[in-house]
Amino acid sequence: KAGVTQTPRYLIKTRGQQVTLSCSPISGHRSVSWYQQTPGQGLQFLFEYFSETQRNKGNFPGRFSGRQFSNSRSEMNVSTLELGDSALYLCASSLNRGLIANTGELFFGEGSRLTVL
Amino acid sequence: GQSLEQPSEVTAVEGAIVQMNCTYQTSGFYGLSWYQQHDGGAPTFLSYNALDGLEETGRFSSFLSRSDSYGYLLLQELQMKDSASYFCAVREVRAAGNKLTFGGGTRVLVKP
Repeated sequence: KAGVTQTPRYLIKTRGQQVTLSCSPISGHRSVSWYQQTPGQGLQFLFEYFSETQRNKGNFPGRFSGRQFSNSRSEMNVSTLELGDSALYLCASSLNRGLIANTGELFFGEGSRLTVL
Repeated sequence: GQSLEQPSEVTAVEGAIVQMNCTYQTSGFYGLSWYQQHDGGAPTFLSYNALDGLEETGRFSSFLSRSDSYGYLLLQELQMKDSASYFCAVREVRAAGNKLTFGGGTRVLVKP
């Protein structure tokens, strides 16, 4: 079974530009989450999509947005890029389990490394 | 809110045992998950503890004490390939789904 695929793997942008990152989840996984990873802040939750609806949201400004398509593929967008947006953006997919059965098991992609100059 | 504290770095030699601690403060709690991430790689799920006690999976064991808001990951018979960062994580209680809060991670360096 193919893993989580993220594209592009690396990209360089300048301040003020916008960027779109793509994520293809594992087949059958309908939940897709996005995380930002930086050396200073660690892994921080951005948002989660399930059945094309945003189910959870982290504490990031509105410049960060996402969406999910009917085939569960997801995209996230960052507008008006700032230097501090330089990070590894990780996508994770998972099965949708009930509250008690949910072990917090996420399947992460390799990430998209964004550098903002 | 939720917060998890982990020591930043641990160094050990091959064949040794290393324990990585995680203390958490949460408003509600389901269980504690552990992830491994090699440099340049994706985090991978290792284990989950919902109840007090020890869970063993091969060389890895994870422990939880809910009364102490504390858990640890134990790696036995350390190998060079175990050099990685290890994160503990909890799931947001007030929401369905997979909103995880991660600790800052413990970087494990295995020396020959």
